[in-house]
Amino acid sequence: SQELEQSPQSLIVQEGKNLTINCTSSKTLYGLYWYKQKYGEGLIFLMMLQKGGEEKSHEKITAKLDEKKQQSSLHITASQPSHAGIYLCGADVGTYKYIFGTGTRLKVLA
Amino acid sequence: DAMVIQNPRYQVTQFGKPVTLSCSQTLNHNVMYWYQQKSSQAPKLLFHYYDKDFNNEADTPDNFQSRRPNTSFCFLDIRSPGLGDAAMYLCATSSPGSIEDQPQHFGDGTRLSIL
Repeated sequence: SQELEQSPQSLIVQEGKNLTINCTSSKTLYGLYWYKQKYGEGLIFLMMLQKGGEEKSHEKITAKLDEKKQQSSLHITASQPSHAGIYLCGADVGTYKYIFGTGTRLKVLA
Repeated sequence: DAMVIQNPRYQVTQFGKPVTLSCSQTLNHNVMYWYQQKSSQAPKLLFHYYDKDFNNEADTPDNFQSRRPNTSFCFLDIRSPGLGDAAMYLCATSSPGSIEDQPQHFGDGTRLSIL
């Protein structure tokens, strides 16, 4: 079965610093999604990547999918306390089937 | 705004006492999903409905059941909750074939505690 592994598991950065979160799949990805989850709440959709080499940006967050479609990275530029939360990558693994990584907990120190 | 609403946000039940979690949607989506997310773990798909067709994941315990009386509502029933069932339960919806900017829309979840 396909698995998603995220690294690092947790991250503490000073406000204003850049950071990168990685998501690696055990199989080729056909749709890779990034979500943010605030503690004790639901998932907020950030971005969707489908093509090898694709890159998308929204405000200060940029996500990339590598050419082989097995790894994705999420980069936050000039982090702010509002970026704090749990970042999850998710993927299509079949008809109406999705899996998720275990998440990266981000804390931004003001 | 169209959305996915889960009630209650927090639920406490006793060991072995049946409990029902509720999810409603105003998106008119065909597919509704239930996920279980334990602390520091990935959300795990329990089952989904495509309209009235129920699809159970192979490793979902028999203790977990679901009902979808209409397009808008979906319920998660836990017949005899054990301590290991304490978790966040997330409901999500999707609309196959539609041009949407996101694959699934999630509710805010229900955090279930077992005494």
